Amino acid sequence: VQLVESGGGVVQPGGSLRLSCVVSGFTLSDHHMDWVRQAPGKGLEWVGRSRNKPNRYTTEYAASVKGRFTVSRDDSKNLLFLQMNNLRTEDAAVYFCVRGFHSFDHWGQGTLLTVSS
Amino acid sequence: DIQMTQSPSSLSASVGDRVTITCRASQGLSKNLAWFQQKPGKAPESLIYDTSILQGGVPSRFSGSGSGTDFTLTISSLQPEDFGTYYCQQYDRYPYTFGQGTRLDIQ
Repeated sequence: VQLVESGGGVVQPGGSLRLSCVVSGFTLSDHHMDWVRQAPGKGLEWVGRSRNKPNRYTTEYAASVKGRFTVSRDDSKNLLFLQMNNLRTEDAAVYFCVRGFHSFDHWGQGTLLTVSS
Repeated sequence: DIQMTQSPSSLSASVGDRVTITCRASQGLSKNLAWFQQKPGKAPESLIYDTSILQGGVPSRFSGSGSGTDFTLTISSLQPEDFGTYYCQQYDRYPYTFGQGTRLDIQ
């Protein structure tokens, strides 16, 4: 099992960015997938979930990102996405792609988002 | 939201010590409580799920217990590689929430 995130970078407040996570070693459609973030020097914060195909890919979000962030996937390409709009300085963090099996059993290495003018 | 409170926030222990970290939930949980270890600059790694089940490959010196609002992670005999920050997490109800972390240093 491997998860590899990409797409992080520097964005101005109010801007948008899409993170990607390519997975391997398992069938993406079988699994719930999550995004978790960690601000510099801080703890872990769950961001959102895309449920698996049997659960119709329905989503859940933390209140802090609801209406601004969208989790989606392309199972045919083994890709998970996090579309982030209207970014705020407090969204700056390392974003981890996580497989949501037995809680969170496998994590990517993370990709860093910086929000600064 | 369910608040998760860990204690202590940090501790220092010696190789061979028995170490216990506590996690308290603001509301009663079913079994859906997990523990993670994170080393500096690395992604967290899953240790335990469903309160007491070890993830594959996790050494048997790690164990989890608890019910309701009080949960515990125990390291029976501390090893040098066990340094890092430990987090509990509830996945009983959305939004999923983590404890603030317990930093473990090896003396």
